[in-house]
Amino acid sequence: AQSVTQPDIHITVSEGASLELRCNYSYGATPYLFWYVQSPGQGLQLLLKYFSGDTLVQGIKGFEAEFKRSQSSFNLRKPSVHWRDAAEYFCAVGADKLIFGTGTRLQVFP
Amino acid sequence: NAGVTQTPKFRVLKTGQSMTLLCAQDMNHEYMYWYRQDPGMGLRLIHYSVGEGTTAKGEVPDGYNVSRLKKQNFLLGLESAAPSQTSVYFCASSPENGGPRGTDTQYFGPGTRLTVL
Repeated sequence: AQSVTQPDIHITVSEGASLELRCNYSYGATPYLFWYVQSPGQGLQLLLKYFSGDTLVQGIKGFEAEFKRSQSSFNLRKPSVHWRDAAEYFCAVGADKLIFGTGTRLQVFP
Repeated sequence: NAGVTQTPKFRVLKTGQSMTLLCAQDMNHEYMYWYRQDPGMGLRLIHYSVGEGTTAKGEVPDGYNVSRLKKQNFLLGLESAAPSQTSVYFCASSPENGGPRGTDTQYFGPGTRLTVL
């Protein structure tokens, strides 16, 4: 069955620190992978997506993600976190429909 | 260009009441979706539409109905609301990119917070 797992429910980092949010997926074919961000009280916004090709994908707001087929992972990274990055982050796999993970809430301390 | 808008933003219902949530998009997108978001469960697809006049069931369709009479609008109806339908509802739309459905970037509305007492 298709599924997405985000093992970290809540992550806290200091402003300026690096960030990695984990995402593992289960999918029978070549996956289409997405990261969305949800700011408080807002809808979701696409950060980046992977369909094929280069396994390191650049997105908006300085985020990047790396697809590792051998590990069934698509982790999101940012070298230096800003307080504005505090939000909830969702990984999703696109099949006939989007399947979302349960989300990781990021808190940023000044 | 307003993108995806949802009406209303908040609503409180009593058990058994009915209501309709309206989603509108001005991007001429073919696909539209209704999701519900519950704590610790991410987003779950309720119903979706691949074009005007079409609808299909998603992961959690029971207790909901939808209609897409116009390309720009996608309505979600609750005929007899239950407390289990207390949730935040998101509408999304996406263009048809020629690839498999579900691979297009989805554009989300701001959500409707529904409470059923």
